[in-house]
Amino acid sequence: NAGVTQTPKFQVLKTGQSMTLQCAQDMNHEYMSWYRQDPGMGLRLIHYSVGAGITDQGEVPNGYNVSRSTTEDFPLRLLSAAPSQTSVYFCASSPTGGNGYTFGSGTRLTVV
Amino acid sequence: EDQVTQSPEALRLQEGESSSLNCSYTVSGLRGLFWYRQDPGKGPEFLFTLYSAGEEKEKERLKATLTKKESFLHITAPKPEDSATYLCAVQVDYKLSFGAGTTVTVRA
Repeated sequence: NAGVTQTPKFQVLKTGQSMTLQCAQDMNHEYMSWYRQDPGMGLRLIHYSVGAGITDQGEVPNGYNVSRSTTEDFPLRLLSAAPSQTSVYFCASSPTGGNGYTFGSGTRLTVV
Repeated sequence: EDQVTQSPEALRLQEGESSSLNCSYTVSGLRGLFWYRQDPGKGPEFLFTLYSAGEEKEKERLKATLTKKESFLHITAPKPEDSATYLCAVQVDYKLSFGAGTTVTVRA
């Protein structure tokens, strides 16, 4: 039982490049979310999903896309990376959305 | 707009010196208030969920309480291993809104 697995752990991108941050959970959780964490600002919700095939926008969705084709996977796509997207990204999952979310260990992304 | 404010931003304690962290919130339709612990370079680790005013939860040296406007995380007789950033989050619908956190440093 690995919990929530995020890959890669570290990534450097050039401005304008695209990439996908991977997130997988093996707990059969319905709810999954993506957050970014910046110094002094706390975690901010990017996108979330309440089940396979269902996604919605969070607080800071611009520049990011998500899809949820299976219960296990919830990838986050950066369409055209910008320096403002330099951050630490966390994926989280929850069985019902009303209990504590389990977080992955994060992806540290630098856009130069 | 939902708001979550944590204070203080940083707290330095001597081992054994008890203290409290504050999380004040302004939300509509609170479904739950969560406390997380985050160590450097790691993801947040779930500690507690509180659902209604008056509720209390305890785990080792930590105790969380909830009122209609704020929550407190009390740290009793802290040890150096309690050093971490403590995050508060409120849930509205299916979404969590986080405060900026309180970084606690406990010196031996």
